[in-house]
Amino acid sequence: EAQVTQNPRYLITVTGKKLTVTCSQNMNHEYMSWYRQDPGLGLRQIYYSMNVEVTDKGDVPEGYKVSRKEKRNFPLILESPSPNQTSLYFCASSPQGFGNTIYFGEGSWLTVV
Amino acid sequence: DQQVKQNSPSLSVQEGRISILNCDYTNSMFDYFLWYKKYPAEGPTFLISISSIKDKNEDGRFTVFLNKSAKHLSLHIVPSQPGDSAVYFCAASEGSNTGKLIFGQGTTLQVKP
Repeated sequence: EAQVTQNPRYLITVTGKKLTVTCSQNMNHEYMSWYRQDPGLGLRQIYYSMNVEVTDKGDVPEGYKVSRKEKRNFPLILESPSPNQTSLYFCASSPQGFGNTIYFGEGSWLTVV
Repeated sequence: DQQVKQNSPSLSVQEGRISILNCDYTNSMFDYFLWYKKYPAEGPTFLISISSIKDKNEDGRFTVFLNKSAKHLSLHIVPSQPGDSAVYFCAASEGSNTGKLIFGQGTTLQVKP
């Protein structure tokens, strides 16, 4: 079954404690991306990757890091989380940009206290 | 500055009637547009897309209209069904094969039986 898998799905953490949200897809997609969803703001793109070792900033990259060492994985790293990073995070993948459909993961609820 | 705007946070229609969801954009470089549907506790799912070389694209009950001069697109659902109740996001990009995707704030559609 085609899947985009995120972990953890729910997390409460404290300010400044580094955390990583993993994302894995089993469809051999070249494109992967991270979004955050906040009330009244919709989905905002954090980072995206067009292929292995190629990453680019989206609209709201501050406070986040990513890496794309292999095609299937695209982890989102919060080096020093702050309360304004409390949000619902989605990972997505696509065969190639948006010419085809984008598959989203189920989301990761992150609370920073 | 919000480049893609969905000015109606919510919409309520009767089953069987038409639902019209609207989206405006400001960036004239956008030439590829998509609609996503999102149920609670799930990731968004792709619904329909349109390239700027077209002004209409139809897929079953769903039709997207694009008015480039007005920088406006709309999603028509006919006939609306209770299962269509969800949050709908429009999104735009510069080309169908780029990595950057800008979403609107979303419109919550409720279809009443």
